[in-house]
Amino acid sequence: KAGVTQTPRYLIKTRGQQVTLSCSPISGHRSVSWYQQTPGQGLQFLFEYFSETQRNKGNFPGRFSGRQFSNSRSEMNVSTLELGDSALYLCASSGGGISGTEAKNIQYFGAGTRLSVL
Amino acid sequence: AQSVAQPEDQVNVAEGNPLTVKCTYSVSGNPYLFWYVQYPNRGLQFLLKYITGDNLVKGSYGFEAEFNKSQTSFHLKKPSALVSDSALYFCAVRNRYSSASKIIFGSGTRLSIRP
Repeated sequence: KAGVTQTPRYLIKTRGQQVTLSCSPISGHRSVSWYQQTPGQGLQFLFEYFSETQRNKGNFPGRFSGRQFSNSRSEMNVSTLELGDSALYLCASSGGGISGTEAKNIQYFGAGTRLSVL
Repeated sequence: AQSVAQPEDQVNVAEGNPLTVKCTYSVSGNPYLFWYVQYPNRGLQFLLKYITGDNLVKGSYGFEAEFNKSQTSFHLKKPSALVSDSALYFCAVRNRYSSASKIIFGSGTRLSIRP
């Protein structure tokens, strides 16, 4: 089975621009979560999508948004980029189990997209 | 509210010695607990999880973790450290009674194994 695929691996943008990151989950997984990882703040939860619906959301401004498609692939968008948005963005997929038991599922992570904002 | 604490930013151990990476948690009810490892420029990799049953959980690469309900801890251990174990380790918790609950990660502990 192919793992979680994130594209692109690296991005360089300038302040004020917007960016879209893509995540393809493991086949059969319905849940996709996004995380921001920085040296200072650690691993912070952005949001989770399950069957095309946002199920959970972290404490990030509205500039951060996402969506999930019918094939479970997910995209994350950041508008009006700021220097502080420079980070490693990780996507994780899970699920495919019996409904109501998702909480025990392992999250499988992609290698991440490293975003640098200049 | 759920929370996870990894009190040590860094743990240094000599190769061949036992290692412990500490984790304590706060969550209502009985949690699901996880350990993940991250190598440089990579995503997180699953090591082990506690769901129910035996408090000692065995995982990948010779790691194990002990669930202690009274101390609300889930420390990661390995009897004999390898240089290749050097990486960033994350503890995570999730409320088992809500399939829609968020998984919360600790701040991470950098494990450094010296030859």
